[in-house]
Amino acid sequence: SAVISQKPSRDICQRGTSLTIQCQVDSQVTMMFWYRQQPGQSLTLIATANQGSEATYESGFVIDKFPISRPNLTFSTLTVSNMSPEDSSIYLCSVEGQGNIQYFGAGTRLSVL
Amino acid sequence: AQRVTQPEKLLSVFKGAPVELKCNYSYSGSPELFWYVQYSRQRLQLLLRHISRESIKGFTADLNKGETSFHLKKPFAQEEDSAMYYCALSGHRQGVDAGNMLTFGGGTRLMVKP
Repeated sequence: SAVISQKPSRDICQRGTSLTIQCQVDSQVTMMFWYRQQPGQSLTLIATANQGSEATYESGFVIDKFPISRPNLTFSTLTVSNMSPEDSSIYLCSVEGQGNIQYFGAGTRLSVL
Repeated sequence: AQRVTQPEKLLSVFKGAPVELKCNYSYSGSPELFWYVQYSRQRLQLLLRHISRESIKGFTADLNKGETSFHLKKPFAQEEDSAMYYCALSGHRQGVDAGNMLTFGGGTRLMVKP
């Protein structure tokens, strides 16, 4: 298994600002994932982040809005840029372990006013 | 495209009653299916995966390829089973260096009443 620390755990932000969410893993992993969970909805994959390469974004998500960094095998950041109230969600990072099992962080609850 | 459907958003049962949380999927290849659970104020965690064919906390799930289903079952529900349950499918996307993509169903909230 993997232990994932995600921060901040929650934030309240003003419209038009940006927030960077950090995800730290206690072991080296190849694949890290970022998800969004809108209120009352399921998890939707935003992008997959491999160390040393550009993140792969899912349909409906673009790098300008959700830039991702993956500087090493234990760390990644997701930035939510130029925020609007529609970006209010829980953002989760996860890593893939053995057997294609994913381990999740506790999430970042973002509210945009 | 891969898709996971959980038809029930909420399932409410009494303690000791049998539970079945439904999950149907669509996937063109050979699927790998999981059930994840999120208890109150805890992070999302794996409950079980179909290839393990094991029982976790009394829950079992059998992959039925003919019906494209992976329903989660427990013969006698306990109050501590109350949680949000997500069915998920892992499938490799060809031509994309993004490993195995996990697609989640909409989730079912299980409430076990005393």
